[in-house]
Amino acid sequence: EVQLVESGGGLVQPGGSLRLSCAASGFTFSSYSMVWVRQAPGKGLEWVSYISSSSSTIYYADSVKGRFTISRDNAKNSLYLQMNSLRDEDTAVYYCGRRDGYNSFDYWGQGTLVTVSS
Amino acid sequence: QSALTQPRSVSGSPGQSVTISCTGTSSDVGGYNHVSWYQQHPGKAPKLMIYDVSKRPSGVPDRFSGSKSGNTASLTISGLQAEDEADYYCCSYAGGRWLFGTGTKVTVL
Repeated sequence: EVQLVESGGGLVQPGGSLRLSCAASGFTFSSYSMVWVRQAPGKGLEWVSYISSSSSTIYYADSVKGRFTISRDNAKNSLYLQMNSLRDEDTAVYYCGRRDGYNSFDYWGQGTLVTVSS
Repeated sequence: QSALTQPRSVSGSPGQSVTISCTGTSSDVGGYNHVSWYQQHPGKAPKLMIYDVSKRPSGVPDRFSGSKSGNTASLTISGLQAEDEADYYCCSYAGGRWLFGTGTKVTVL
C-alpha cells in the first residue's frame, strides 16, 4: 500500500524557517517524481514545487522561488521542503504528492499544517 | 501565474448529472492533454479522479468522466450520489509548472 506521511509543520514567526519531511513507503520511491502542494485555510490548492526522481529537474512556483528548496533522499525514501523567509501568506496545509506518469498526482499524504504568525 | 477558473458551486439531486467547467489558456489547458481532476472531502487529502483529460484511475466509478474543448476542460458526474458531495479541483500541467483551478463545491440536494 502506497503511503506518504508528512511531518515538520508547526507555528513559526514571519521571517523564520521550517523544514518539512515526507516519508514514502509501499512503492519504489526512487522511480517517481514528487511534488509539494499547499492549501491555505479555506482556500484552494496551490502547486508549490516539483522534483524529478533523480533530483536532476526541479521547479518552483513563483510565489516561493528563492525562499523554498525541495530535495529528496532516495536511500531514505524521503522528500523534503526547506522553507526560509516565511511569510503570513505561506500559512497552509502542505501536502506531498506522487507524480504518476501522466503529469497528475495519484497519491497524497494527509498534510502537515504550517502557521506563520507573530 | 493565476489559477484556472471554475464555478464556485454546482448542485444536483441524487441521480442527476452535473458538469464542472475549468477554463484556462492556450498555455495550460489548451496546450496540453494533461488535465486532471481531484475530489476533496472536508479535512481530507485530495483524491485523483481523472487524469489526462478523460482517463479514470482504477477504482474511480465510471460515473465520473472528463473532456476538453479548446481552453476549457470539464468534469461530469452522472448519477449523482450523496458521497459525491465534495470540493473538486481541476489541474493542468503548464510546462514546468502546474496550475490548479479555483475549486467547485458540489452539493447533492
